[in-house]
Amino acid sequence: AQSVTQPDIHITVSEGASLELRCNYSYGATPYLFWYVQSPGQGLQLLLKYFSGDTLVQGIKGFEAEFKRSQSSFNLRKPSVHWSDAAEYFCAVVSSGGYQKVTFGTGTKLQVIP
Amino acid sequence: DAGVTQSPTHLIKTRGQQVTLRCSPKSGHDTVSWYQQALGQGPQFIFQYYEEEERQRGNFPDRFSGHQFPNYSSELNVNALLLGDSALYLCASSPFGNQPQHFGDGTRLSIL
Repeated sequence: AQSVTQPDIHITVSEGASLELRCNYSYGATPYLFWYVQSPGQGLQLLLKYFSGDTLVQGIKGFEAEFKRSQSSFNLRKPSVHWSDAAEYFCAVVSSGGYQKVTFGTGTKLQVIP
Repeated sequence: DAGVTQSPTHLIKTRGQQVTLRCSPKSGHDTVSWYQQALGQGPQFIFQYYEEEERQRGNFPDRFSGHQFPNYSSELNVNALLLGDSALYLCASSPFGNQPQHFGDGTRLSIL
């Protein structure tokens, strides 16, 4: 069965500092991987996705993520965090095939201090 | 172009009651999935509808049921509500077999 682990429940960074959020997945084949962001009381917004090809993917809002098959990881990075990035971030893996089930991690809550 | 819309935004029910939540998918999308997000948790997959049939189901009891209409909109029904059903219920849509799913803002269900 597919699964996602986000080991950091809560991260605090200073505005302007770099950010890395960790994600490890378990899936038998090449996965589809996603990062979503959720602001309080809101739905999920897609930041970026990996299907195949280049292992470094660029997303919206200056985020990027790197797929490392050997480490079963898909970590999210941003070189300089803005106060508006404070939110909860979810990593997700999707099974291939027609009926695609999305499995989410438990999320990492990001706090940005001035 | 409207995205995924859900109604109502908030709902308060008491234990034992029944509730129906509604979802209109993004234009051009024919597959609808429902998720339950408890406070402080990631979304948990409930089920997915395509061509008006339930195609996949997560680990949820039969109290959770759904429906998809010919216009692709969908309903989530929960019977015999329990306190533990309090959560944000998210609807997501996509073209069949394609990713990513697009999410609505959810319905916040509170059980008293």
